[in-house]
Amino acid sequence: EIVLTQSPGTLSLSPGERATLSCRASQSVSSSYLVWYQLKPGQAPRLLIYGASSRATGIPDRFSGSGSGTDFTLTISRLEPEDFAVYYCQQYGDSRYTFGQGTKLEIK
Amino acid sequence: EVQLLESGGGLVQPGGSLRLSCAASGFTFSNYAMTWVRLAPGKGLEWVSVIGDSGGTTYYADSVKGRFTISKDNSKNTLYLQMKSLRAEDTAVYYCAKLSFWRGPYDVWGQGTTVTVSS
Repeated sequence: EIVLTQSPGTLSLSPGERATLSCRASQSVSSSYLVWYQLKPGQAPRLLIYGASSRATGIPDRFSGSGSGTDFTLTISRLEPEDFAVYYCQQYGDSRYTFGQGTKLEIK
Repeated sequence: EVQLLESGGGLVQPGGSLRLSCAASGFTFSNYAMTWVRLAPGKGLEWVSVIGDSGGTTYYADSVKGRFTISKDNSKNTLYLQMKSLRAEDTAVYYCAKLSFWRGPYDVWGQGTTVTVSS
């Protein structure tokens, strides 16, 4: 089973700063199946990035994804107040999906 | 408007059963695979199960295999999750979600329904 490890666990930044979130896989993952979601308290998760680097419908261009193989990154170029949330990477493989443990992005 | 609405959550004793439902609207339900994901208190998202568009293909997380059954009724536009032999560690908010394509990302999510397993 592929394990996804996200780092850091918590990231403290200020609005306007750049956020870089990492997702590392225990073995190579197809980029086609690497996804990022945003989760805010009391809300449904929101699809941000699919195929490692494609933005979902309606997602602002300050969000970008990159990476391949075992190392993937979600970058938020300039943080807006509404971006503070928990972010999860996810992959599909071997007839199952797995999520990373999440990175909490908090206001500094 | 594309929408998913979960129901059926509640308080259940360990060893008990519960059936969750997810009513879909605003898209052709029979054309899409669906999935259940849960969020336990203080934990991260955990994938539970996925079902193909026709209902013929199902996969489960090891943590629920043999205890949970996913199904979909395309005539009723409804997804189900039958849960048996429930444990305290099954306590979570359960979300249903629509896959954009088979093996693909989850592009539409419901608001979730809460399941609490406790005596």
